[in-house]
Amino acid sequence: GAVVSQHPSRVICKSGTSVKIECRSLDFQATTMFWYRQFPKQSLMLMATSNEGSKATYEQGVEKDKFLINHASLTLSTLTVTSAHPEDSSFYICSASRLAQDTQYFGPGTRLTVL
Amino acid sequence: AQSVSQHNHHVILSEAASLELGCNYSYGGTVNLFWYVQYPGQHLQLLLKYFSGDPLVKGIKGFEAEFIKSKFSFNLRKPSVQWSDTAEYFCAVNPLSRGYNKLIFGAGTRLAVHP
Repeated sequence: GAVVSQHPSRVICKSGTSVKIECRSLDFQATTMFWYRQFPKQSLMLMATSNEGSKATYEQGVEKDKFLINHASLTLSTLTVTSAHPEDSSFYICSASRLAQDTQYFGPGTRLTVL
Repeated sequence: AQSVSQHNHHVILSEAASLELGCNYSYGGTVNLFWYVQYPGQHLQLLLKYFSGDPLVKGIKGFEAEFIKSKFSFNLRKPSVQWSDTAEYFCAVNPLSRGYNKLIFGAGTRLAVHP
């Protein structure tokens, strides 16, 4: 149990376009989902925390208008990178937990390349 | 600054050698502690976690970790590593007492086990 999927696994887009990444908890209901960004050979940096049905809480320095997060159901959260630029190229990882302070289960990640 | 420190960035061992990976954190009060592993090309998987109780925690694949509150440490150990343990290991802390509900990750330790 506790499987989290992400789609797509890889995406290449042109600068200025928007990209949507989906995160799904496949076999449990996730009240809280998290979005991370991982730079090459570095650790995971939390971008935002989303609770089902409410607005996401963004970490300091993360532009909420650029990284739109929606957590519309207990099994789905989406991250939309709006007006993407090459510096947004990165590995984006989501995680999900049943309860707010419970164990987080991670998705496989999405590699975004902005040309 | 509040942080999670993993002392070794790269560790190289021969099969059957013993492993200890250090993790220290700087958050006071109640914390939840985790070790995650990321095998090559795969997503983060939970190795073990500590919420409360016995400070010696057993995880999957023969790993264990010991929470020493006075040292703010949560070191990961395995008595005899295998080639299949080659992976990157991340220590993570949820600093509950600060009102946070998020994981702060260490920089990771890349372990290479040679046959």
